Amino acid sequence: GAVVSQHPSWVICKSGTSVKIECRSLDFQATTMFWYRQFPKQSLMLMATSNEGSKATYEQGVEKDKFLINHASLTLSTLTVTSAHPEDSSFYICSASYREGRTDTQYFGPGTRLTVL
Amino acid sequence: AQKITQTQPGMFVQEKEAVTLDCTYDTSDPSYGLFWYKQPSSGEMIFLIYQGSYDQQNATEGRYSLNFQKARKSANLVISASQLGDSAMYFCAMREGEMNTGFQKLVFGTGTRLLVSP
Repeated sequence: GAVVSQHPSWVICKSGTSVKIECRSLDFQATTMFWYRQFPKQSLMLMATSNEGSKATYEQGVEKDKFLINHASLTLSTLTVTSAHPEDSSFYICSASYREGRTDTQYFGPGTRLTVL
Repeated sequence: AQKITQTQPGMFVQEKEAVTLDCTYDTSDPSYGLFWYKQPSSGEMIFLIYQGSYDQQNATEGRYSLNFQKARKSANLVISASQLGDSAMYFCAMREGEMNTGFQKLVFGTGTRLLVSP
């Protein structure tokens, strides 16, 4: 399999501040990475698809100015939650596509738990 | 309409027994892929198994096998010889289209919580 890391694993911040979350593919190059949000006891909701060297594609209802995504290299994508508020508190998890065998499989990072006070 | 349906919010199984987690899907695309992921309490999503729509045989990976019934649009996960460490949330996911799939998104079901008892 492929390894994806995320940093930080958890963060607590004050309302109004911005928080940056990093997603790295450690042993492969990822042209495409994905950012998901997961509320407690719920499924994963895709927020955006991040493509290296181009603008991210956001899902309907996701504010692109609120959740800034930058895919600066083939191994790094970042998600910045700008002017965070308590309702942004959630579990954020990224994934990267890796071709192994017959198909591209999304491998996930360990996730980042964001708490906004 | 839900693209992925997991009707079992929770399942219990005794250690060393087999368990089947249900997943049905809805798509009109002839090419698609089905995935199962495990999410332990730590939160990480762990890839378990993949089945392509054109695969002739059911996928198997160690203790995991996928009971793929295309006509019924079901892709149930079978875990044999359950272990205590199998206790987790299990998500079924689908990707439509199997060409140039690296950028194509997954749609997830609501998950099934599996509890394995000693």
